[in-house]
Amino acid sequence: NAGVTQTPKFQVLKTGQSMTLQCAQDMNHNSMYWYRQDPGMGLRLIYYSASEGTTDKGEVPNGYNVSRLNKREFSLRLESAAPSQTSVYFCASTRTGSNQPQHFGDGTRLSIL
Amino acid sequence: AQSVTQLDSHVSVSEGTPVLLRCNYSSSYSPSLFWYVQHPNKGLQLLLKYTSAATLVKGINGFEAEFKKSETSFHLTKPSAHMSDAAEYFCVVSPPAGNKLTFGGGTRVLVKP
Repeated sequence: NAGVTQTPKFQVLKTGQSMTLQCAQDMNHNSMYWYRQDPGMGLRLIYYSASEGTTDKGEVPNGYNVSRLNKREFSLRLESAAPSQTSVYFCASTRTGSNQPQHFGDGTRLSIL
Repeated sequence: AQSVTQLDSHVSVSEGTPVLLRCNYSSSYSPSLFWYVQHPNKGLQLLLKYTSAATLVKGINGFEAEFKKSETSFHLTKPSAHMSDAAEYFCVVSPPAGNKLTFGGGTRVLVKP
């Protein structure tokens, strides 16, 4: 009954360090997403992958890269972390088709000093 | 293009009294609309969704929402608040085809005993 699993749950980085956030889902979903959540702004889409082998930019992609490793896994990489990237990051997945709800992980809380 | 406005950033209610969370949306097509709830240090959980069937949508935990096209609103209500309803709630809009979500800024609900 795992659903969407994100690792790590917490991380503190120094400016300029790199980091990869991991996400895996066990629901056989085709589409996966990365969001960031900042106070008062809801969630904003960073990147998404509509299906295995494809990735596309969302609303706030600058400073991030992604890899859809296989159908289950979708990772988010910060190559050179900046304080503005301090946020809570959520991964989500969904079935193919219209009006499908997204299923979310519990988030990664990332602080960049 | 689509956007979502949650009219209250914070709502405070007493246990056993009604809850009303207000959401207005803007969309150039007939959207799908969702309400999600986020408890502290958790991911988002789907409460309910509207997909152009009935305008009154019932969700989990006694919540319901009414879609009013003329008012471009999708307000969330619950007749009697419980302490466990203390959380942040997000109104979300999605285009009819595809799954790129647009989130409102969130409403944080405080339930007083």
